[in-house]
Order: sequence, then C-alpha cells, then structure tokens
Amino acid sequence: DAKTTQPPSMDCAEGRAANLPCNHSTISGNEYVYWYRQIHSQGPQYIIHGLKNNETNEMASLIITEDRKSSTLILPHATLRDTAVYYCIVRVAHGAAGNKLTFGGGTRVLVKP
Amino acid sequence: DGGITQSPKYLFRKEGQNVTLSCEQNLNHDAMYWYRQDPGQGLRLIYYSQIVNDFQKGDIAEGYSVSREKKESFPLTVTSAQKNPTAFYLCASSIRQGPYEQYFGPGTRLTVT
Repeated sequence: DAKTTQPPSMDCAEGRAANLPCNHSTISGNEYVYWYRQIHSQGPQYIIHGLKNNETNEMASLIITEDRKSSTLILPHATLRDTAVYYCIVRVAHGAAGNKLTFGGGTRVLVKP
Repeated sequence: DGGITQSPKYLFRKEGQNVTLSCEQNLNHDAMYWYRQDPGQGLRLIYYSQIVNDFQKGDIAEGYSVSREKKESFPLTVTSAQKNPTAFYLCASSIRQGPYEQYFGPGTRLTVT
C-alpha cells in the first residue's frame, strides 16, 4: 500500500471549515483514499473514501487532485466534537490482505471555540 | 443496534498470565480484524479473519493467538510470550471484499504489570 504524509497537527476555529491535507505521491491506479478519525480513547470512525472523483457525505467532503498524488478532507463546519486524530489511508480494495488498513501518525486536529 | 462490542473496557493482568479479549459483532460481516495501538501511535494489524475457521497473521502476530469458530466472534488471546502486552486493543469488522469501510469497536485497554 502507498505511504501517506500528513501534517502532525492543526488548529481550527469552531464553525469554520477545516481543510486537512494528505500527500500520497506513490499511489497506484487501483488504490483508494480513505479517511478515518479517532477521538481520544475510542475506536476509529470511518469518514469517507474515494478513488478518482470528489466525494461528499453527511460528515465531510473529499477532494482528490487530478493526478491523485494528494487529497484534502474538508469538514465544512467544524464543531468541538470534531477534535480528533484524522488518518489518511491508501489501500487496494480487493483481496484478503487488501482489506488491511495501514495507519500512519495522522493529523491531530484541535477545534477551538 | 448493530455494532461491535469489546469487553472489558479496561483489563489488568500480572506478567506471565495469558488473557483473552472478547470481540463480538452483529453486523453479519465476514471479515474481522485485531489491531494494537500504543500511545501516540497509529494502529498495527495483529490478526485478521476473512471467514469462519480461517485466519491470517498480520504485521505483529508474535505472542498472540486467535480463533474464529463463529461468524460473530473473534477472540484474541495475549499470551505470556508477548513481550510488551500493555496497549490499547481494537477489533474491527467489514464486508469481505471491495472498497468497504471497517467498523471498529470501542477498544480494550490492557495493562500488564
């Protein structure tokens, strides 16, 4: 699976959009980009995933560059409950070993009032 | 409610004792996973199972054992051979193949002294 690079931490103001970058310059054509978050001492929570096109759901939007070497997770209106570590993960979708998630260090996001 | 349960939330053991962590899911998922998380680190895969009566080693299987006798259950035994067993243990499940997300349980924090 391709390696990802994320900033170690970032602050965000409550009510504003939070833009979380992720670099995955070695991504392969059959690899998806996934985002999870982990609130302190809880299990990770799935947020969104995509292959080529931008994706949006009730939690966030995922913007993937045309060359697929980087992506941005957008939390449109950050709340204090969005304070967490956010993980960007790249992996193939198929095959037994392909379902493994490889977590890096993530970005520690602090939403401030 | 559908989901994954892990029990207990906190577990304390003496060095040299084996301990079994419980993981149950009612999501009808074929695949189940065990991850370990150390303070300030990402998750690392211990074992995974794609189907009943079958399981595979992950990246850090040494000192651990699992069984998968029922679709709903995937218990993890931390043996006395595991050199540094104190950690946060997370169980997850997913549909067997495809670009599907993994659902995580709340985790068990194991402390061995």
